[in-house]
Amino acid sequence: DGGITQSPKYLFRKEGQNVTLSCEQNLNHDAMYWYRQDPGQGLRLIYYSQIVNDFQKGDIAEGYSVSREKKESFPLTVTSAQKNPTAFYLCASSVLAGGYEQYFGPGTRLTVT
Amino acid sequence: RKEVEQDPGPFNVPEGATVAFNCTYSNSASQSFFWYRQDCRKEPKLLMSVYSSGNEDGRFTAQLNRASQYISLLIRDSKLSDSATYLCVVKFNTDKLIFGTGTRLQVFP
Repeated sequence: DGGITQSPKYLFRKEGQNVTLSCEQNLNHDAMYWYRQDPGQGLRLIYYSQIVNDFQKGDIAEGYSVSREKKESFPLTVTSAQKNPTAFYLCASSVLAGGYEQYFGPGTRLTVT
Repeated sequence: RKEVEQDPGPFNVPEGATVAFNCTYSNSASQSFFWYRQDCRKEPKLLMSVYSSGNEDGRFTAQLNRASQYISLLIRDSKLSDSATYLCVVKFNTDKLIFGTGTRLQVFP
């Protein structure tokens, strides 16, 4: 059963703590992406990776970090430097980078208080 | 001007109605176009890609108008289950997709 999984579904953290969101895919896709979605706003790209061991900053990378050590996995760390971390975080993948259809995981809703 | 613009709605239509949404984009060099559907508090799901010649999938028809820089989505015979937010997505001349903020559709009995 191919797809993208994200865990956990809900996450609560105190301000000042780093937190890592998991994203795994078994679609054999080369490219993976992290977005955040805030109420009333479109998806905004945080980081993306076209291939293993490579990643690029998106439009709002400040306060976030990623790694891509395996093709299947693209974890996102929300650091304490991120000013407004409370949001809905979505991971996606596509067969290749560059305008192909992206498929999304179910998302992680992060609340930082 | 936003790179991808959509009417936020909501569009309130009765079951069985036909409804259409437009989405305008700013970059004439845009190369790929998609419609996604997003249910409340869920992830976006790909509804259909939009090709230059237009394409149809059951009750859904997507059209591209490059001259006027917009894409459209037509839904015929609306069902209650069509209630969702529809996201317009455009690829400009980079590796990134640009997502619109979505048009909300509410189908009532």
